[in-house]
Amino acid sequence: EIVLTQSPGTLSLSPGERATLSCRASQSVGNNYLAWYQQKPAQAPRLLIYGASSRATGIPDRFSGSGSGTDFTLTISRLEPEDSAVYSCQQYGSSPVLTFGGGTKVEIK
Amino acid sequence: QLQLQESGPGLEKPSETLSLTCIVSGGSISSNSYYWGWIRQPPGKGLEWIGSIYYSGSIYYNPSLKSRVTISVDTSKNQFSLNLNSVTAADTAVYYCARETKYCSGGNCYLSWFDPWGQGTLVTVSS
Repeated sequence: EIVLTQSPGTLSLSPGERATLSCRASQSVGNNYLAWYQQKPAQAPRLLIYGASSRATGIPDRFSGSGSGTDFTLTISRLEPEDSAVYSCQQYGSSPVLTFGGGTKVEIK
Repeated sequence: QLQLQESGPGLEKPSETLSLTCIVSGGSISSNSYYWGWIRQPPGKGLEWIGSIYYSGSIYYNPSLKSRVTISVDTSKNQFSLNLNSVTAADTAVYYCARETKYCSGGNCYLSWFDPWGQGTLVTVSS
């Protein structure tokens, strides 16, 4: 099973700043099959990124994904107040066994 | 617009069987482009994939839950279901259903990302 470790646990930044979230895999994620989700309190997760770097429909271009192998990054280029949420990564490179990371909480000051 | 809605009891007793149904509206569960998945999230913790099913009946389970989980599909009702037996307090979680893209590449097809998700339903295991 591929274990995904996300860091930092919490990120506290001001509006307009850049957020960089890390997702590290215990072994290489095949074909860079990695997705990112945003989850606001009391809401279901929302897909942001799939295939490590492809934005889902309707996702603003301030969200971008990058990385390969075992190291992946979600970048929010200019934080807005509504970006306050927990962000989780998920790998599907070892399909049919899927795993999620533990999440990074982004707080907007 | 596709919508998913989980339904089922919010409280289960230890050792009993948790049963949830996901009703799909705005699209057909018999699409050959998607799997249908269950994911859970214990309070204050991360997401855990439970399993996924294709309309024709192909099923994939999380190895850590496989011995206790059954997922089934009812195409006539456009819904799919989750049964988790011998529950304990550790199974207390928000349970989500979601559509999962059937991603094919190089002649092989894979489980992949989840989009959209149902709103989730909290199931508490307590006597």
